[in-house]
Amino acid sequence: DTAVSQTPKYLVTQMGNDKSIKCEQNLGHDTMYWYKQDSKKFLKIMFSYNNKELIINETVPNRFSPKSPDKAHLNLHINSLELGDSAVYFCASSRRLAGVEYEQYFGPGTRLTVT
Amino acid sequence: AQKVTQAQTEISVVEKEDVTLDCVYETRDTTYYLFWYKQPPSGELVFLIRRNSFDEQNEISGRYSWNFQKSTSSFNFTITASQVVDSAVYFCALSDPIKAAGNKLTFGGGTRVLVKP
Repeated sequence: DTAVSQTPKYLVTQMGNDKSIKCEQNLGHDTMYWYKQDSKKFLKIMFSYNNKELIINETVPNRFSPKSPDKAHLNLHINSLELGDSAVYFCASSRRLAGVEYEQYFGPGTRLTVT
Repeated sequence: AQKVTQAQTEISVVEKEDVTLDCVYETRDTTYYLFWYKQPPSGELVFLIRRNSFDEQNEISGRYSWNFQKSTSSFNFTITASQVVDSAVYFCALSDPIKAAGNKLTFGGGTRVLVKP
C-alpha cells in the first residue's frame, strides 16, 4: 500500500491557469507538508499542517493556497500559474510521539510544467 | 537561521569504491535532528536515517554508515563498496523544532553520486 500518494504525477498547463495537486497519506500521521524542488534540485518547504491547522507558511506567493480537509489529506491549489512555478512538488507527512519528531515520508512528487 | 551545506555537488566513482558525502550544518538550537534522504533517478525521496543531536554514536546499516560530530557540526555519510544502484542524489537535512508540532526541514543542495560499472 502506498504510504503517501499524490495526484497527478505530471501536470502540464498554460500560464494563467489554476490547478490543484492532491495528497493523501495512510500512515496515520498528524502533520503534512508541501515542498518545492526546483530545476537545480533545491528543496524548500512551503507549508505544513498539523491536524488540519496551518503551522508553517513560508514566504510563498498567495497564489498558492493549501487546504487540509482532514489530517490524512493536504491539497495544494495554485492560481494564475506562472512560468516560475514549474517545479516538482512533494507532499510529505510525519508523526510526533512523546516529544520526539520522526522522519518525514515523501510522496512520489508532482512534476508541474507551465508553458 | 538554519543552514545545511553539502559542498560536493557531484561525485563519480567506480563500482566497489567507497564514497563519503560531507554535510555541514549551522543551527542555534541545542536540540535538533539530522536526516539523510536519497533521490534516485526515478525521483522519489527515500528516507535513510534520522539522528538526534544528543546521540553522537556512529551508525552502520549494511553498506551505509554515518559519522555525526557535533564539535564540527558535521554529519557525513559513507557508502562502502558502492554499487550502480547507489547512483542518486543524496540530501542532508536539518530540522527546526521551534514549532509545537511538525518539523521544518532545511535541506542541503544535494550531492549527486554516479557509480560507474
